[in-house]
Amino acid sequence: QVQLQESGPGLVKPSQTLSLTCTVFGGSIGSGDYWWSWVRQHPGKGLEWIGYIYYSGSTYYNPSLQSRVTISVDTSKNHFSLNLNSVTAADTAIYYCARNRGVLVVAAAPVGGYFDYWGQGALVTVSS
Amino acid sequence: DIQMTQSPSSVSASVGDRVTITCRASQGISSWLAWYQQKPGKAPKVLIYGASSLQSGVPSRFSGSGSGTDFTLTISSLQPEDFATYYCQQANSFPPAFGGGTKVEIK
Repeated sequence: QVQLQESGPGLVKPSQTLSLTCTVFGGSIGSGDYWWSWVRQHPGKGLEWIGYIYYSGSTYYNPSLQSRVTISVDTSKNHFSLNLNSVTAADTAIYYCARNRGVLVVAAAPVGGYFDYWGQGALVTVSS
Repeated sequence: DIQMTQSPSSVSASVGDRVTITCRASQGISSWLAWYQQKPGKAPKVLIYGASSLQSGVPSRFSGSGSGTDFTLTISSLQPEDFATYYCQQANSFPPAFGGGTKVEIK
């Protein structure tokens, strides 16, 4: 049974960088069978996809956040990480990591894919 | 970007009721649609993918239909554990996007 677990600071100061790591248990990121995502949810609101990464390091980001986001992977530790810089109070949210099944890259653009396993979520508050 | 619109935003129903939730895409997405259930304080859980394929382990009272721009999630006989918020998600084109959610509440 695959499990994902987020870890990182729960409080970040404005203008600083939010950093989270997602460790995968029960499956190998390096298998290359899936993409690995970050999704966030503002308090009491809907879901916003942030970006995903393949085991090779290929990444795609939501254009709305692309200028501030970096996702990286460490297959030796079986984890992937999120960095979101220049944060403001608007970045306060629950951050989930998730596994994407069924993503295809067609003409350099990803299509398809749904989120079949999720972490429990990490609440990150941006406040001084 | 493709926008996903769910309706209603909330619905009150009783145990045993048939509940239908609608999701509309701003442009055609073929059958690249998934449905998720989220309970308070928990991560979303996938119910349906490919518009109508039931995820392993999900009860058969959940079903999905539609293609193109209009999709539905149906719960044939609402159970106490089904009170939750439901989201659709399109995967036809980049970036993937979710609907705003439909909260199923106890009547």
